[in-house]
This record gives sequence, C-alpha cells and structure tokens, in this order.
Amino acid sequence: AQKITQTQPGMFVQEKEAVTLDCTYDTSDPSYGLFWYKQPSSGEMIFLIYQGSYDQQNATEGRYSLNFQKARKSANLVISASQLGDSAMYFCAMREGGRIKAAGNKLTFGGGTRVLVKP
Amino acid sequence: NAGVTQTPKFQVLKTGQSMTLQCAQDMNHEYMSWYRQDPGMGLRLIHYSVGAGITDQGEVPNGYNVSRSTTEDFPLRLLSAAPSQTSVYFCASSYGTAGVTEAFFGQGTRLTVV
Repeated sequence: AQKITQTQPGMFVQEKEAVTLDCTYDTSDPSYGLFWYKQPSSGEMIFLIYQGSYDQQNATEGRYSLNFQKARKSANLVISASQLGDSAMYFCAMREGGRIKAAGNKLTFGGGTRVLVKP
Repeated sequence: NAGVTQTPKFQVLKTGQSMTLQCAQDMNHEYMSWYRQDPGMGLRLIHYSVGAGITDQGEVPNGYNVSRSTTEDFPLRLLSAAPSQTSVYFCASSYGTAGVTEAFFGQGTRLTVV
C-alpha cells in the first residue's frame, strides 16, 4: 500500500494566486513527521516545511503553510502568492517512528506534483 | 559551507561494471542515507546509516553496498551495474535528534547504465 499519495501529477497556477498541493499518508505509528520538498528543474532537493504528528498548530514558513488534518491523514501544502520561481516538482515525505535514534531519518516520498506558474 | 557533496555528477557505465558513488558531508550529521529517483517518481531509500560503523537496508537495497567508516563519508557501491540501475542518486544527511531534523540533500548523481 502506498504510504504517501500525491494525487495531482501536475497543475497550473496563475502568478500571484495561491495553490494547494494534496498529500495523504498512511501509517499506524502515532509518532511521525511530514515534510515537503521542492525540486526545481536543476534537480536539487530543497526543504520547505515540516509538521510533526503531535504539533497542535499547522506549520508555516513564509509563503508556505501546511494544512494538517490528522484524522483524515492529510498534509496539504499551500503556497500563497505564487511566483514564477515556484515552478518545480513538489514532494511530500514522511518519517515514521519516534525513536529516531534507532530508526534513523528514513523518508518515504510520494510521487510528486509538478507545478507550473503562469505569468 | 559545502553541505552534502556528491561525486561524480554524471556517470555512464557499461552493464556489469562496478563503481562507487561518493558522498561527503561537513555538518557533523549523524544520519546519512542514499536514495534513488527514477524518472517521474519520488525518491526511494536504498541504504542508510545512523552513525559511523552502522548501516542498514532501505526499500531498494539489492545491487548496492554501503559502508560508513567515518561520520563524514558514506559511499555507495554498485557491484555489477544493470540497466535497471539507471537513475538519479541522492545522498542525504541530517542530525540525529527528534523534531524537524530535515534531511539535507546533495546535488545528485545522474547514472546511466548501457
């Protein structure tokens, strides 16, 4: 079974508008972390935002916010005021396990969503 | 501040050849890992390490070996290259504490096996 599902393979967004990227996850571990990474066409992986399973508030980092709905097991990324430089692949990833010392920082990635920002 | 450095950036191998992808980090991170990214897909974990001398298998370990003799270095060895190993390989490192501990990624190695 897929642990991380990103159902939108690609989407267009108008510059200056907001866009929501969907991510659902599956885990039975009560302790986990959810990450979003950006991969521009140059190929590097850029960390955007993190949400812990026990965090009470939704994470925010500048123009990025995470809409965390624990009961629905969803962790959607919202990019506000899109810019041309936001055109990239976006990956949702999960780290399971609270005992990180033993578990390591192992990430399971979704298939990604390609975003193209139109001027 | 180099971060995570991978070499080479590009490599073409013939089927059956062996090679080592190098990964070095200068952030004193405890955790290091190797992922592969096939076209149009997310990253999949090959091997990981929680510290010098300790390694373990990830989701897709077959055909790859790793070792971690120092905190800084985590090389990935392809034993006998196959066309199915054509992919982009990413090395990542992070601190060994709970919480955010985002993984820092290298620039990737694009490997083609012919």
